[in-house]
Amino acid sequence: AQSVTQLDSQVPVFEEAPVELRCNYSSSVSVYLFWYVQYPNQGLQLLLKYLSGSTLVKGINGFEAEFNKSQTSFHLRKPSVHISDTAEYFCAVKSANSGYALNFGKGTSLLVTP
Amino acid sequence: DTAVSQTPKYLVTQMGNDKSIKCEQNLGHDTMYWYKQDSKKFLKIMFSYNNKELIINETVPNRFSPKSPDKAHLNLHINSLELGDSAVYFCASSQEPGSTGANVLTFGAGSRLTVL
Repeated sequence: AQSVTQLDSQVPVFEEAPVELRCNYSSSVSVYLFWYVQYPNQGLQLLLKYLSGSTLVKGINGFEAEFNKSQTSFHLRKPSVHISDTAEYFCAVKSANSGYALNFGKGTSLLVTP
Repeated sequence: DTAVSQTPKYLVTQMGNDKSIKCEQNLGHDTMYWYKQDSKKFLKIMFSYNNKELIINETVPNRFSPKSPDKAHLNLHINSLELGDSAVYFCASSQEPGSTGANVLTFGAGSRLTVL
């Protein structure tokens, strides 16, 4: 089975500062990796995904993530955050060979302040 | 047009009652899911249906019974509600397993259930 660890439950950051949200996974098989964002009182929205190919993946809203197989990580980054980026961010993993459901990490709450 | 719609958005009820949450998707997807998000925001898969057939049934009390009348609908019925059932329930859908879009889930806005 695959599992995901998000090392930081909360990340406070000032507006226009860079941010990195950490995600590590464990799996004995090839995986697909995802980042979803949940704005207050809303559903989850896909930010970006890694299925294959280039290990640097660009998503919406200026976010990007890098798949590092040797470190089993998929950290999310943004060079300059906005107030509107305040939300809950979820890393998720899915087996590339089988299985239907995503397994989510516990989420990281990003709080951007002026 | 809402891609994945859930009703009701909010549901407040007493312990012991039976309630249902409905989900519909207009994306033409073949696979639908129910996830539960607890008070600490942890998301856990409950069920998944592919073309009306149950394919994932995690360790969920049998008081929870999903029903899929067709591949565009996946409803969740809960019997004898307990305090611990209070959570936000998310419906999601994706394309058929094996297709390129199978790995991307589209989520509904969630249904917040409060059991008193």
